[in-house]
Amino acid sequence: GAGVSQTPSNKVTEKGKYVELRCDPISGHTALYWYRQSLGQGPEFLIYFQGTGAADDSGLPNDRFFAVRPEGSVSTLKIQRTERGDSAVYLCASSSLDRVDAFFGQGTRLTVV
Amino acid sequence: AQTVTQSQPEMSVQEAETVTLSCTYDTSESNYYLFWYKQPPSRQMILVIRQEAYKQQNATENRFSVNFQKAAKSFSLKISDSQLGDTAMYFCAFISQGGSEKLVFGKGTKLTVNP
Repeated sequence: GAGVSQTPSNKVTEKGKYVELRCDPISGHTALYWYRQSLGQGPEFLIYFQGTGAADDSGLPNDRFFAVRPEGSVSTLKIQRTERGDSAVYLCASSSLDRVDAFFGQGTRLTVV
Repeated sequence: AQTVTQSQPEMSVQEAETVTLSCTYDTSESNYYLFWYKQPPSRQMILVIRQEAYKQQNATENRFSVNFQKAAKSFSLKISDSQLGDTAMYFCAFISQGGSEKLVFGKGTKLTVNP
C-alpha cells in the first residue's frame, strides 16, 4: 500500500478482554515495529520483526502481550486480559532494507474501561 | 542504554518567525542516526529530518535544519519561517547503526505556532 495502515483506529474494550490490533506495512518493507505511546510520552519500543521472525521482543511488558507476522507482511499485536494500564496509542512502523527511515501508521488508540 | 532528553515540554512561536527545539542524547556508540519526527493531532509520526552521526555537515530539509554537536551529544531542530501547519508535537529519536534496531524517543516538545 501507499502507507502503513493500522486498524482499528480506535478500540474501546472492557478490562479483562482480549484485543487484536492490526498493522499493514508498506509493500516490500521487511522490517516492522510496534511501539506504545502513553499520554504525554514519546513512543516506547515493544517488538521488532525482520521478515516473519521477531528479531527483538525485549520491549513487550509482560506475557499478556504477543505479536505475530506469519507471512512477513501484516502483523497483529495481541493483548490478553487487558488492564486499564494498557490504555495507550499503539503505533506500527515499517522500513526497508536499509532499516533507517521508519514510516509510521496513524496508530490505534486503545482504551480499557 | 541510549537515552534521549527533550527539556522543553512546550514552546510557542509567532508565524513567520524562527524557533529552535533542543535535544540531547546519551550513547556509547560511535555510529548512529538521529531524527526529528513531527506528530500532529492525527497521531501519525512524520519524519522531518535525519542526521547521520558520521557526517559533520548539518542536515537541512527546506525550512528545517539541525545543529548537530557530536561531542556535546546535542541535536537541535531549527524551524525557519514558521507556519501554522507546523503546530504539532516534535520528537527527537535515536537509532544505532548495526546494533539494536529500535528507535529511542524523547518525551517530545509541543510546538504552537501563533498567527
